[in-house]
Amino acid sequence: EPEVTQTPSHQVTQMGQEVILRCVPISNHLYFYWYRQILGQKVEFLVSFYNNEISEKSEIFDDQFSVERPDGSNFTLKIRSTKLEDSAMYFCASSEVFLNTGELFFGEGSRLTVL
Amino acid sequence: EDQVTQSPEALRLQEGESSSLNCSYTVSGLRGLFWYRQDPGKGPEFLFTLYSAGEEKEKERLKATLTKKESFLHITAPKPEDSATYLCAVQADSSASKIIFGSGTRLSIRP
Repeated sequence: EPEVTQTPSHQVTQMGQEVILRCVPISNHLYFYWYRQILGQKVEFLVSFYNNEISEKSEIFDDQFSVERPDGSNFTLKIRSTKLEDSAMYFCASSEVFLNTGELFFGEGSRLTVL
Repeated sequence: EDQVTQSPEALRLQEGESSSLNCSYTVSGLRGLFWYRQDPGKGPEFLFTLYSAGEEKEKERLKATLTKKESFLHITAPKPEDSATYLCAVQADSSASKIIFGSGTRLSIRP
């Protein structure tokens, strides 16, 4: 069964360092998303991406964040200068059609710990 | 502001003991309401989409229903493998490409 894969599964970094989280969405999907979940809190929307540009972003997704689809398979989230409050589980998701059915396919997540 | 509130936060049931989880929502024009299941350390897994009041969807021991203000996830004769956190989420007309999640109900089924 096709799945969304994310790397790394866990990354520990020092405050102020740059981090890149990588995702390989399902191959025929066209819409890509990043969500995050701080421990014990809700899953929160960060950004949606289609046709090589951002469709929508939340207030959390400030200038420190960026997304890119550098080739035909990868979708990355970059945090330029990490803060302690960026510690969370980051989930990549993809969908075949534009969210009409609500069916997002999520990866298993990348746990980011900022020290 | 669009909001999703789930109750209870946690629910412990005996195997075979049926119950319901609640999701109340406030949204400026509901495009869709979704239920997901999340196992510890994993990403959410899609279960159902409901679009309009009165709609029902079923999958194995789960049935989701929708009214104008809330949704229920009914679980009938649950088994230990149904233990997970169940997340409710909404998509608003005002924001077509994101879904807003509730905090979830942590369901535990004892054998």
